[in-house]
Amino acid sequence: GAVVSQHPSRVICKSGTSVKIECRSLDFQATTMFWYRQFPKQSLMLMATSNEGSKATYEQGVEKDKFLINHASLTLSTLTVTSAHPEDSSFYICSAKRVWDREHEQYFGPGTRLTVT
Amino acid sequence: QKEVEQDPGPLSVPEGAIVSLNCTYSNSAFQYFMWYRQYSRKGPELLMYTYSSGNKEDGRFTAQVDKSSKYISLFIRDSQPSDSATYLCAMSPILTGGGNKLTFGTGTQLKVEL
Repeated sequence: GAVVSQHPSRVICKSGTSVKIECRSLDFQATTMFWYRQFPKQSLMLMATSNEGSKATYEQGVEKDKFLINHASLTLSTLTVTSAHPEDSSFYICSAKRVWDREHEQYFGPGTRLTVT
Repeated sequence: QKEVEQDPGPLSVPEGAIVSLNCTYSNSAFQYFMWYRQYSRKGPELLMYTYSSGNKEDGRFTAQVDKSSKYISLFIRDSQPSDSATYLCAMSPILTGGGNKLTFGTGTQLKVEL
């Protein structure tokens, strides 16, 4: 149980375009979902925390108008990278937790590799 | 100074060796300590978590926390080629019902060779 999927697994887009990444909890209801970014040889950095039905909370330095997060249901959260630029190329990972899970009990998706050309 | 420091490796060991992976941290508010394993191009999976200082064992894995030294370790006994992955440490302060984030180390890349 506690499986999280992401789609697509990899995407290449042109500079200036937008790309949407989906994160789904397949067998549980995720009251909270997290979005991380991981650059090569660097640690996972939390970008934002989203709770179902409410606005996402962004970490300092993350542009909320550039990284749009929608957590419309208990099983789906989306991250839209708007007007993508090459520096946005990274590995984006989501995680999800149930209402009773503690913070360390996050279930991670397999990640989406974004390449902006 | 980073809140969590972790030697990125790569670390290469022969099959059957005992592996020691370590992290140091500077934030004394951290109370929960986690180890994740991440295979190439995959998301992290939780291996172990500990709350207090001391040792916690699960099969071939032992997690050790020394809060006085702000130092945590993960030991892998009888290492196998399937253990080849990147190991991430992560930490969190006391959890108060949401809002506390995990702070990750950069990860140590481990390769167990036949």
